[in-house]
Amino acid sequence: DAGVIQSPRHEVTEMGQEVTLRCKPISGHNSLFWYRQTMMRGLELLIYFNNNVPIDDSGMPEDRFSAKMPNASFSTLKIQPSEPRDSAVYFCASSLLSRGLDRGRLGEQYFGPGTRLTVT
Amino acid sequence: EDQVTQSPEALRLQEGESSSLNCSYTVSGLRGLFWYRQDPGKGPEFLFTLYSAGEEKEKERLKATLTKKESFLHITAPKPEDSATYLCAVQAAGTYKYIFGTGTRLKVLA
Repeated sequence: DAGVIQSPRHEVTEMGQEVTLRCKPISGHNSLFWYRQTMMRGLELLIYFNNNVPIDDSGMPEDRFSAKMPNASFSTLKIQPSEPRDSAVYFCASSLLSRGLDRGRLGEQYFGPGTRLTVT
Repeated sequence: EDQVTQSPEALRLQEGESSSLNCSYTVSGLRGLFWYRQDPGKGPEFLFTLYSAGEEKEKERLKATLTKKESFLHITAPKPEDSATYLCAVQAAGTYKYIFGTGTRLKVLA
């Protein structure tokens, strides 16, 4: 498996523009996570999907942020309009949430290479 | 409030000088504790999962241990290629997400 795939790897845009980040999780995984990483705040969870359904979006900073997962192999994170304070590295990660005896136990998360977003 | 604290923030070691990184946690029921390694410009890479106090996992020069309040990542005879940021994360009971610590930046000098 190629692992988690993210695109683009780098994005430079001007304030006010729309930005769309893309993620392809590992085949067979049923959970997908979007994170944001900055020097000041470290890794922050933005949103979590299970079986393509958003379960927890409490980390999404504002209404300018939205995320979708139309199928098991694709997710997007959109920022509209973008602002300079959105500059960060955005990671997508996927995992397999246990259903059996270990029900509810998150397995290890596998991270993509990240998208470095710069908003000027 | 669920919380994860890692120490030290940064650590410089000579090649071959063993040491330990600490991850202290306060959660309402631990479902799992995870260690990751992150190299500059890359995503975190999974190292270990620990579920119960007393559990230990090993991989090459790394050994992770877990108690009811903290986890240690022991590095034995480190090499320069072990230089990275090491992240700790926990899953609390009743949640489906990780809480990450801010990491320990390790530099191993040749």
